[in-house]
Amino acid sequence: QLQLQESGPGLVKPSETLSLTCTVSGASISSSSYYWGWIRQPPGKGLEWIGNIFYSGSTHYNPSLKSRVTISVDTSKNQFSLKMSSVTAADTAVYYCARDFATTVTTLRYKWFDPWGQGTLVTVSS
Amino acid sequence: DIQMTQSPSSLSASVGDRVTITCRASQSISRTLNWYQQKPGKAPKLLIYAASSLQSGVPSRFSGSGSGTDFTLTISTLHPEDSASYYCHQSYSTPYTFGQGTKLEI
Repeated sequence: QLQLQESGPGLVKPSETLSLTCTVSGASISSSSYYWGWIRQPPGKGLEWIGNIFYSGSTHYNPSLKSRVTISVDTSKNQFSLKMSSVTAADTAVYYCARDFATTVTTLRYKWFDPWGQGTLVTVSS
Repeated sequence: DIQMTQSPSSLSASVGDRVTITCRASQSISRTLNWYQQKPGKAPKLLIYAASSLQSGVPSRFSGSGSGTDFTLTISTLHPEDSASYYCHQSYSTPYTFGQGTKLEI
C-alpha cells in the first residue's frame, strides 16, 4: 500500500528557508510514471498547489511561488523534498505531499492527488 | 490561472438529506475536475476524479457530474460521518487550483 510521510522542522524563522522531505513507502518513486507533489493549507484556509517533480527531476511550480521554491528528488532514498526560501508568516501552513496520479484518455490528460501524506504544520515565527 | 468557485461556502443538513455542492471554473476544463473530502486535522481524501469517476472504496452515495465549466458533487443520503469540508480541484492546466471549500455540518 502506497504511503507518504512528511518530515521536517515545525518552526522556521522569518527570512530563513523551509525544508521538508516526503518519504514514499510501498512503491518506488523511480519505477512509477507519476509526478510527486506538494500542496499547502494555511490554518483555516483552502488548499494551494506548490509544485511537483518527476523521478527524472523534471519539475513544475506554481508561478506565485516559483522564485522561492525548489523541489528535488532522491531516488536512492525514495524521497522528494521541498525548499522554500525567504519565508514569512504568510507561509505558515500545513504542508502535504501527495502522488500526482495521471492517466490519458482519448488525448486528454487526467490528473489527481492520491494518496496524500498526513501533513506537517510549519509555523514561521521568530 | 483558472479560478474555481464553489457554492455554498457552508451548509447545514440532516442525516438522510440529499446535498449538492457546485463548482464553477473560470474557463472550460473539460472533465479534469476532482473532488476531495477533508475532516478536521486530516489530509484531504480523493472522492471523485475525472468529474464523475468514484474512487475505489468511496461509498456509492457520493457522485459527481459536469463538464466544461460547471460541476456538481452530490451526496444522495447524508450519513453522520459525511460532516467535513469538500474541495473541488482542476487539473486541466498548471497551476492546479482548488475551490475555496464547502463546509458541511450535519
